[in-house]
Amino acid sequence: DTAVSQTPKYLVTQMGNDKSIKCEQNLGHDTMYWYKQDSKKFLKIMFSYNNKELIINETVPNRFSPKSPDKAHLNLHINSLELGDSAVYFCASSQTDRGRFTGELFFGEGSRLTVL
Amino acid sequence: GESVGLHLPTLSVQEGDNSIINCAYSNSASDYFIWYKQESGKGPQFIIDIRSNMDKRQGQRVTVLLNKTVKHLSLQIAATQPGDSAVYFCAETFTGGGNKLTFGTGTQLKVEL
Repeated sequence: DTAVSQTPKYLVTQMGNDKSIKCEQNLGHDTMYWYKQDSKKFLKIMFSYNNKELIINETVPNRFSPKSPDKAHLNLHINSLELGDSAVYFCASSQTDRGRFTGELFFGEGSRLTVL
Repeated sequence: GESVGLHLPTLSVQEGDNSIINCAYSNSASDYFIWYKQESGKGPQFIIDIRSNMDKRQGQRVTVLLNKTVKHLSLQIAATQPGDSAVYFCAETFTGGGNKLTFGTGTQLKVEL
């Protein structure tokens, strides 16, 4: 009964390819996120959706396109992969409390992307 | 033992000792702070949070201290256990900042038997 599950866990691909990472949460949360963690463990938010609406869109190349078909799913598609895209990508979810951010994010186990 | 986390430093402590992990934040508007623990190969896990109207908050074996004057946050772990070995991150946000958490650089805690 994984709360936040993302697939695939590992992804190795060539530069220039297009790839997707999928995320699903079964916690009934209304907000989902994508974070990127680099080789130095630095975690940075990329996107956030609240009830399928994009609410955070950080300075991310437009090769990255999130898509939320419903509030339990948030997928990440990456076009024209570059070496610098190699990282661990984490999906997370949270539940706002009467519109108030709680700060308690539930993270998936990460998807390690390696671009060769 | 103590550490100041700016470049993923490592804090080594003996099992049973208390650990203190420090975090400096830069945004004076930040009013909500959270500590996360990340074990190897896993995603970060929420430990404890504190809002700026408090100086101290306690959980089970953990205490978070907030000093808004010097923009400093610390996480104290009592009687450190091998299972506490992980990377610890502080994160901050502010009212009106939406759901955007800004994470610190992390501190690696190693518990020696």
